[in-house]
Amino acid sequence: DTGVSQNPRHKITKRGQNVTFRCDPISEHNRLYWYRQTLGQGPEFLTYFQNEAQLEKSRLLSDRFSAERPKGSFSTLEIQRTEQGDSAMYLCASSVPGQSALAKNIQYFGAGTRLSVL
Amino acid sequence: GQQLNQSPQSMFIQEGEDVSMNCTSSSIFNTWLWYKQDPGEGPVLLIALYKAGELTSNGRLTAQFGITRKDSFLNISASIPSDVGIYFCARLLLPYNTDKLIFGTGTRLQVFP
Repeated sequence: DTGVSQNPRHKITKRGQNVTFRCDPISEHNRLYWYRQTLGQGPEFLTYFQNEAQLEKSRLLSDRFSAERPKGSFSTLEIQRTEQGDSAMYLCASSVPGQSALAKNIQYFGAGTRLSVL
Repeated sequence: GQQLNQSPQSMFIQEGEDVSMNCTSSSIFNTWLWYKQDPGEGPVLLIALYKAGELTSNGRLTAQFGITRKDSFLNISASIPSDVGIYFCARLLLPYNTDKLIFGTGTRLQVFP
């Protein structure tokens, strides 16, 4: 499968525990994005990387959240001291930036990791 | 919060019927995207629009970029059961070097045989 891969697909944890999710982007894509989606809503941007550099973080990304992409390939998203409000689907996407000013940066999404905090 | 408003919120239609949904914003944009999300899966890109007035088709799907650049429409003709899902519009947040997507509130489609 050459699409965006996310693991695990589901994670159930107790409040206060730390969790880590992994995303493997499409191999030639140098941009990688994390989004969070709560029930009944569209995905909301969290952060994105170009190669290994984290270029932007949303205000939604509290101090308990950290994302890395150490070698510019796969990425991890860690949530420390989870809270019930962290329960959501965490989506990863990847893209290749276009060359023109109207950059056609099509983002391809993985199937997501669904987190349930009890 | 979300800055794109989609309507209707949900639709219940019979197989074979045509469907129309739209997305509006208070700001103008250069790119409109339409995604479909199946339960338990990530969004899949259906159609991308890059120019005001542009009309693009993908099989039974047709989308248009409004001339005012503040809205977009998605039409599905002759719906089938596999069209069930949530349809999201999305736009790129300028400037382009960030290219994070902003999603709409979604339109949930149910198709009955």
